[in-house]
Amino acid sequence: GAGVSQSPRYKVAKRGQDVALRCDPISGHVSLFWYQQALGQGPEFLTYFQNEAQLDKSGLPSDRFFAERPEGSVSTLKIQRTQQEDSAVYLCASSPLQGGVTEAFFGQGTRLTVV
Amino acid sequence: EDQVTQSPEALRLQEGESSSLNCSYTVSGLRGLFWYRQDPGKGPEFLFTLYSAGEEKEKERLKATLTKKESFLHITAPKPEDSATYLCAVREDSGGYNKLIFGAGTRLAVHP
Repeated sequence: GAGVSQSPRYKVAKRGQDVALRCDPISGHVSLFWYQQALGQGPEFLTYFQNEAQLDKSGLPSDRFFAERPEGSVSTLKIQRTQQEDSAVYLCASSPLQGGVTEAFFGQGTRLTVV
Repeated sequence: EDQVTQSPEALRLQEGESSSLNCSYTVSGLRGLFWYRQDPGKGPEFLFTLYSAGEEKEKERLKATLTKKESFLHITAPKPEDSATYLCAVREDSGGYNKLIFGAGTRLAVHP
């Protein structure tokens, strides 16, 4: 596709439910990032992949958060036992550069609301 | 700890009224300062990257400048379509890969 695609666009989850958020990066992009954006705040780094390798997961808030990119293209962010504080927009970005955020393109995000 | 502070939080301008947005940062070894534009319901859209003090970049009505402590995004004769949230971010270089530290943004509203 022409850009980074994320699905679903909106997700409402009951507290305690597991969710999976999908990111389709631009074809051929090596680097993939996940960010979390709370209302009225800037994005906060969650995790980084270089191809299929998860090189940094220092931003994941708890062990309920898990991300994977098994074939080096599509990535999934999974949140187990969702809590209200998980409500946010989850942004995915990809870059053609190895290790670089320069030229990173963001998707439209998935807005997660936990009720 | 690396930190990015943007001001003002919100700015209302009349069409044609020029102004500047500020981004102050503290980082141990700047490896790039980024400006993004974010429209409601969309992801950030890349505008500029600045690497060294004194550097300037321009795009249409926007000009970004960088000093050792802060960056400014100057908006000349803005139009209503310039209304958006403008995000500033610094790059933190860790272990050969990079992540961005974002500020909270400035919400700009330009009225006709």
